[in-house]
Parts: sequence; structure tokens; C-alpha cells
Amino acid sequence: GAGVSQSPSNKVTEKGKDVELRCDPISGHTALYWYRQSLGQGLEFLIYFQGNSAPDKSGLPSDRFSAERTGGSVSTLTIQRTQQEDSAVYLCASTPIAGELFFGEGSRLTVL
Amino acid sequence: EDKVVQSPLSLVVHEGDTVTLNCSYEVTNFRSLLWYKQEKKAPTFLFMLTSSGIEKKSGRLSSILDKKELFSILNITATQTGDSAIYLCAVDPRSELTFGTGTRLTIIP
Repeated sequence: GAGVSQSPSNKVTEKGKDVELRCDPISGHTALYWYRQSLGQGLEFLIYFQGNSAPDKSGLPSDRFSAERTGGSVSTLTIQRTQQEDSAVYLCASTPIAGELFFGEGSRLTVL
Repeated sequence: EDKVVQSPLSLVVHEGDTVTLNCSYEVTNFRSLLWYKQEKKAPTFLFMLTSSGIEKKSGRLSSILDKKELFSILNITATQTGDSAIYLCAVDPRSELTFGTGTRLTIIP
């Protein structure tokens, strides 16, 4: 597709379960970002991938969160042992250059 | 710590009114300031500002940056109900953007 694609669009899980969220960026975009948006909050930076460089993980809120980007394209954000405070919309964005981001539609995670 | 503050947090106006949204920032190594419109889940890009005093326009929307006073404004003239959204300001100091919490704009018909 032409845009950033995320899946699943909605995920409901039980507390303690692991979840995986997927992001397929725009072809050719070298940079990929994950953000989290909780109800009433702004966008919270989680992690940033740029080309083959080591990712900037400074925004990950705990060691239950991890992300990888395989082959410089598709990225997976994994949340282990989910907690209710993990409930949020997880947004992925990609960019060919620093600054202008193209966002996916997001994955809404609800932890019961 | 990098900080982006938007005001007001919420704004309700009548269709046809003009609104001004504010964004102030404190960041090291500023590179650019961006405005996004978020209607559902995915923010859409509006403007990127890098230079002071140069107004960017797109239809009824315009924005300007003041790098001395560290703020930007987003103006929307002749508002329409389709302008109802959350408007996000973000600053790019290094690699990742730092976002404000947004201004929720509601346009009453």
C-alpha cells in the first residue's frame, strides 16, 4: 500500500498476556518511530529506528517493552506481561528524512 | 528536558470564527517545529517550520514561528465543522519528535 500500515487495528487482551503490534512503513523510508497515545495525553515517544544504526530505545517505559525492525522494513513492538496501564493507541510512523512523519492508523490496545 | 506546551487545551467556537492555537517550546538543538491535525487515530501533517518570521499557508490555515521567543501559532480562519480535531505541535530537537498534549478544537455549526 501507499501508506504506513499497522496491525491489528484493535487488540483486547487479558492482563499478563504478551502482545505483538506490527508496523509496515512506507517503502523506502529509512526511519521508523513508535509512539503511544493514552487517553487525554499527547504522543509519547517509545523507540526510533534509523537505517542500520542501533535503535534509540530511550522512550520505552519498562523492560516489558521491546521492538525490532527486520530487514530495515517491518517493525514489531512487543509488550510482555501486559498491564492495564499499557492500554493506549500505539502509533507507528515512518519518514524518509528527519521531521515530517507519516503515521499509520494505529493499534488500539485494551488490557482487561 | 525537552518540553512542548500547547494552549489552550480545549477551544469551542462557532463556525466562521477565527482561532489561534499556541505552542511554546524549550528544547536543545532545535531543528524544526511541526503541526499535525488528529481527527481519529492518525495525525496528518500540516506544516513544518524552520525559520523565524516566515508564514506558511495552506488554504484557511497558516502558521508562523518565532525562534527568539520560542513559540509558534497556528491560525485557522473562517472555521468549518471539519476543522474539529486535536491539533498537535511537535518539535524536532534531535532524532525523535517531542509532542505537546494538543489543543482540542470543536467547531459548533
